[in-house]
Amino acid sequence: DAGVTQSPTHLIKTRGQQVTLRCSPKSGHDTVSWYQQALGQGPQFIFQYYEEEERQRGNFPDRFSGHQYPNYSSELNVNALLLGDSALYLCASSPWDNYYGYTFGSGTRLTVV
Amino acid sequence: KQEVTQIPAALSVPEGENLVLNCSFTDSAIYNLQWFRQDPGKGLTSLLLIQSSQREQTSGRLNASLDKSSGRSTLYIAASQPGDSATYLCAVSNFGNEKLTFGTGTRLTIIP
Repeated sequence: DAGVTQSPTHLIKTRGQQVTLRCSPKSGHDTVSWYQQALGQGPQFIFQYYEEEERQRGNFPDRFSGHQYPNYSSELNVNALLLGDSALYLCASSPWDNYYGYTFGSGTRLTVV
Repeated sequence: KQEVTQIPAALSVPEGENLVLNCSFTDSAIYNLQWFRQDPGKGLTSLLLIQSSQREQTSGRLNASLDKSSGRSTLYIAASQPGDSATYLCAVSNFGNEKLTFGTGTRLTIIP
């Protein structure tokens, strides 16, 4: 049974560009959350998608946007990249009620130069 | 606003020792608490999940406890091994707020 799959694994972008990260949730999970983890820090919540809508959002600017498809897969888009956006981006999936906790993917390492 | 703290930030112990990692949180109205392991540059692996109604959970050499009233959780690792070296993160979710709030982690090094 495949867990959470993220692509790409690594990415280098130039300041001002736009980037799209992708996530396929674990089988049976319908909720997808995105987290940003800066070096040496704990992950910070960006937003969560359920039934193709943004259910909850953390303290991130509108440059960060997302989408969820009918098959529950999700995308994270970041516009006008800043050097400070360099981080590990983690996708997590769960059933809608989170009773059994979250399953995380291996992450996408984004470097902005 | 929920805040999660993990102490110590780093810990080194000789192989074979038992050890305890600490996690504290400010809002006791939690839904559940999860302990994760993270190897350098990698994603998170879930170790243990404790529901708000539970006091502890065990998996192999790992035991996690939860004391909601004091806002604390501990992760006990028995008979540590070099393969246990990693960063350990705890995270809580609150009722009506599905996001996870993480601590900054404890970086554990087991010395052979």
